[in-house]
Amino acid sequence: GQQLNQSPQSMFIQEGEDVSMNCTSSSIFNTWLWYKQEPGEGPVLLIALYKAGELTSNGRLTAQFGITRKDSFLNISASIPSDVGIYFCAGHRYSGGGADGLTFGKGTHLIIQP
Amino acid sequence: GAVVSQHPSRVICKSGTSVKIECRSLDFQATTMFWYRQFPKQSLMLMATSNEGSKATYEQGVEKDKFLINHASLTLSTLTVTSAHPEDSSFYICSAGVLPGTGPNDNYGYTFGSGTRLTVV
Repeated sequence: GQQLNQSPQSMFIQEGEDVSMNCTSSSIFNTWLWYKQEPGEGPVLLIALYKAGELTSNGRLTAQFGITRKDSFLNISASIPSDVGIYFCAGHRYSGGGADGLTFGKGTHLIIQP
Repeated sequence: GAVVSQHPSRVICKSGTSVKIECRSLDFQATTMFWYRQFPKQSLMLMATSNEGSKATYEQGVEKDKFLINHASLTLSTLTVTSAHPEDSSFYICSAGVLPGTGPNDNYGYTFGSGTRLTVV
């Protein structure tokens, strides 16, 4: 199946630093989403973006839906140890026949050094 | 908010046996449930889309006779892995939602269960 192009694959940063990751696609999506997944758990929704150009914040997290509807980024400011985990972007496309499943990026593994 | 429950969280079975995984929407009626598979250190890949009261739609490469999906009610979908083999060992995750335009934005299949770790020995 299709996967989104997510980068970077992994990040090693110091506590307190800002983090930025992004996703691109060759096709348009109606909705972009960002998830965090802990080991052995399902992904937890962080931010959902519904309109091209939309910029949305959730605490220290900020995400934007690209104007072309083919890309999105997620920023985390002032990282803390509990931000460690794997972050996935996902795109949702509405087809005429009903709800479609999500297409995921390959994930960004965030590692924070104290 | 939307809550999706998945059971069991872990299961170990012998090769050749069948395993059933349940996905429940606890606080809303899900017209659609989605089943994903995630291999170690990889991303989630959609396996099938299950609409209440109708046959599931499978993604290319996913064997419908091996992965039986039943969505008999608006709050429950089940995935049965039949004649499981070691290569079926994976993390199976469901999500539940409503059709776009029929409910709040965050219920379009964006909420996931906690996953089921299947190990076939």
